[in-house]
Amino acid sequence: EAQVTQNPRYLITVTGKKLTVTCSQNMNHEYMSWYRQDPGLGLRQIYYSMNVEVTDKGDVPEGYKVSRKEKRNFPLILESPSPNQTSLYFCASSLLGTPINTGELFFGEGSRLTVL
Amino acid sequence: QKEVEQNSGPLSVPEGAIASLNCTYSDRGSQSFFWYRQYSGKSPELIMFIYSNGDKEDGRFTAQLNKASQYVSLLIRDSQPSDSATYLCAATDSWGKLQFGAGTQVVVTP
Repeated sequence: EAQVTQNPRYLITVTGKKLTVTCSQNMNHEYMSWYRQDPGLGLRQIYYSMNVEVTDKGDVPEGYKVSRKEKRNFPLILESPSPNQTSLYFCASSLLGTPINTGELFFGEGSRLTVL
Repeated sequence: QKEVEQNSGPLSVPEGAIASLNCTYSDRGSQSFFWYRQYSGKSPELIMFIYSNGDKEDGRFTAQLNKASQYVSLLIRDSQPSDSATYLCAATDSWGKLQFGAGTQVVVTP
């Protein structure tokens, strides 16, 4: 089954404790991206990657890191989480490698993160 | 000012009626427009995309694009309770990035 898998789905952590949210897709997609979704603000892009070893900042990259060592994986790293990073996070992938025509984005099920 | 604006709703629609959702965008360089549906607690899923001015129909859904006025709309005909969800409008900006609106909540009442 074609899918984007995120883990963990739910996480409660404390300020400053490093965490990683994994994202894996089995569709051989070149384009992958991380979003956060907050009430009233919609989906905001954190980072995206157009291919292996190619990553770029989205609209709200502060406090986050990513890596793209393999085509299928795109982990999101919070080196020192803070309460303002409490949010619902979505990983997404797309077959098309150019952001101009992102085509259909396939989203993971979401990871709800709470930072105390 | 947000790049993509939507009325947050909720938009209450009687079952069988037409739901009309509007979206405006600020970047005149936007080229591609998308409507995603998001059920509560679930991830967004693409239901329509439109690139050219005019109407595009897909089943009960019709997307309308007017680049001169910088708005895109979604019509849902014969609304069903299963259409109750939040609808996200998205547009690619001049840099090619996909910008999402905050979404419009639609509630279809029996």
